[in-house]
Amino acid sequence: DTAVSQTPKYLVTQMGNDKSIKCEQNLGHDTMYWYKQDSKKFLKIMFSYNNKELIINETVPNRFSPKSPDKAHLNLHINSLELGDSAVYFCASSQSGSQFNEQFFGPGTRLTVL
Amino acid sequence: AQTVTQSQPEMSVQEAETVTLSCTYDTSESDYYLFWYKQPPSRQMILVIRQEAYKQQNATENRFSVNFQKAAKSFSLKISDSQLGDAAMYFCAYRSLGYKLSFGAGTTVTVRA
Repeated sequence: DTAVSQTPKYLVTQMGNDKSIKCEQNLGHDTMYWYKQDSKKFLKIMFSYNNKELIINETVPNRFSPKSPDKAHLNLHINSLELGDSAVYFCASSQSGSQFNEQFFGPGTRLTVL
Repeated sequence: AQTVTQSQPEMSVQEAETVTLSCTYDTSESDYYLFWYKQPPSRQMILVIRQEAYKQQNATENRFSVNFQKAAKSFSLKISDSQLGDAAMYFCAYRSLGYKLSFGAGTTVTVRA
């Protein structure tokens, strides 16, 4: 009964390729997020969707494009991958209007660009 | 933009002892939320404890407690009776009334047997 799941968990690819990471949550939440954790373990928000609408769009290269087909899914597509895109990408979800609106994280996807 | 600072990159504690992790933040808002997340080697982010800024009472979850000093903008985490399973990276995080969660740089906790 995984709450927030991501596929794949590991992704190794060549520079210049296009790849996607998928995220699904079964918590019934209405808000989903993508975070990037770099090699120094620093975590930074990239995007957030609430009820399929983009509400947070941080300064991210436009090679990164999120897509939310429904409230339970948020995918991340990355075009023309670069070496600097190597990182762990976390998906998270939360329920707006709840007391803490706390975010539940997926297991992460380790992306390695060669 | 809110800034969250964790000044201790690494902390070491003897099993069964207590360790305190520091966290300070910068904000001009009066209402907000603070969190501590744990990231073990499995890399899963696990919520440890949470605190609302307008509540003066410090949050407690079993062996984990916080010392929230609103005026000082400080939110430290105390781990009591440390166990080997507590070894992980700990992140302090801030959220205003919106959705955005801002994280500190993390503190790596090592537990010595």
